[in-house]
Amino acid sequence: GENVGLHLPTLSVQEGDNSIINCAYSNSASDYFIWYKQESGKGPQFIIDIRSNMDKRQGQRVTVLLNKTVKHLSLQIAATQPGDSAVYFCAENPGSYKLIFGSGTRLLVRP
Amino acid sequence: DADVTQTPRNRITKTGKRIMLECSQTKGHDRMYWYRQDPGLGLRLIYYSFDVKDINKGEISDGYSVSRQAQAKFSLSLESAIPNQTALYFCATSVGGETQYFGPGTRLLVL
Repeated sequence: GENVGLHLPTLSVQEGDNSIINCAYSNSASDYFIWYKQESGKGPQFIIDIRSNMDKRQGQRVTVLLNKTVKHLSLQIAATQPGDSAVYFCAENPGSYKLIFGSGTRLLVRP
Repeated sequence: DADVTQTPRNRITKTGKRIMLECSQTKGHDRMYWYRQDPGLGLRLIYYSFDVKDINKGEISDGYSVSRQAQAKFSLSLESAIPNQTALYFCATSVGGETQYFGPGTRLLVL
């Protein structure tokens, strides 16, 4: 579901380490998934997407993994940098007019 | 994303006032959306429009109205603002049901 309360899960990582952010999606009919990054005071920014006929897709320093069996999506960020600090959330498209958004995970990068 | 602009960026208003938030896009996308975001919660869809003549209610449309003046412009109105409409409002655009691209947001405070 989308409303999980006022407190976002937080992931704290050391600068230079790899980060893994997880997302459980709700609809087994979903065939398209997106990861967004939202920095404080800004709008959500597209990072990477993946379709259900793939289980992995790579971008620049980011990799998305899709496990349809357990309805799980993950975002891996390599060599995490201070500029990666933000809220990350996934979105799924169950083949309809709208996206279903998760509530997000806050990533904190320690110097 | 500079291709999607929102005005104003910040607004303080009083209970009972009518206000309008505006969104413009230069992406040439057919679909436009209005969302609200509350602290710790995911994005909730207020209204969406597939083209100038096709406007639909989202999950939380009560107290809001919209106007699609042109393919590039989609405005959101609060007919009589109330304090629980205090939130961050985002406009987004897409081509079909694919990735949505967001504006920078409008921070609204209703006193």
